[in-house]
Amino acid sequence: EVQLLESGGDLVQPGGSLRLSCAASGFNFRGYAMSWVRQAPGKGLEWVSVISGSDGSTVYADSVKGRFTISRDNSKNTLFLQMNSLRADDTAVYYCATLGWIRGPPTKDYWGQGTLVTVSA
Amino acid sequence: EIVLTQSPAILSLSPGERATLSCRASQSVHNYFAWYQQKPGQAPRLLIYDASIRAAGIPARFSGSGSGTDFTLTISSLEPEDFAVYYCQQRGYWPLTFGGGTKVEIK
Repeated sequence: EVQLLESGGDLVQPGGSLRLSCAASGFNFRGYAMSWVRQAPGKGLEWVSVISGSDGSTVYADSVKGRFTISRDNSKNTLFLQMNSLRADDTAVYYCATLGWIRGPPTKDYWGQGTLVTVSA
Repeated sequence: EIVLTQSPAILSLSPGERATLSCRASQSVHNYFAWYQQKPGQAPRLLIYDASIRAAGIPARFSGSGSGTDFTLTISSLEPEDFAVYYCQQRGYWPLTFGGGTKVEIK
């Protein structure tokens, strides 16, 4: 059974840092590009970042560039998101997901259940 | 950035009716286009990829069409479990972007 299990969400003050993890099982993790997608309360979906499965190439949304860092440990089947300089508008449920790469072959659709990050004083 | 504009924002229909959801891209994304369904408290679920291909396990009442800038998701006959929010998404260019969503609600 495929599972993506996010953890690390918490209440943090503006300017603070947080590290999210996503533990994968049940599929060939290193063969998939992995993305983070977030959803602010009552709002739509926003793609945050992606990391390739093989060479570790990364891409970021402008809204998080320079503040967030995506990484992965293929030996532990785990995806990470280091979030620094957090702002109130970073408050959201953060999902890890297999959305694939631009213009690449279609990929199977796996999503975690999400972890809530709340940025507030 | 590719902007995806979904219409309508809310669609009020009865079970058994046909639902037609639209999504327009600010520039061509070719067929690198997908539709997702999201129910409250759940992660999104892929319905359609590459504009018109149903994902595994998706019922045949869901169909996707279009290419370039204009795309449509059709639900031929709404079942009670289909009332949800639907998002379009493009993967033709970075950053990946989603539309703002269409809520299909029970009339």
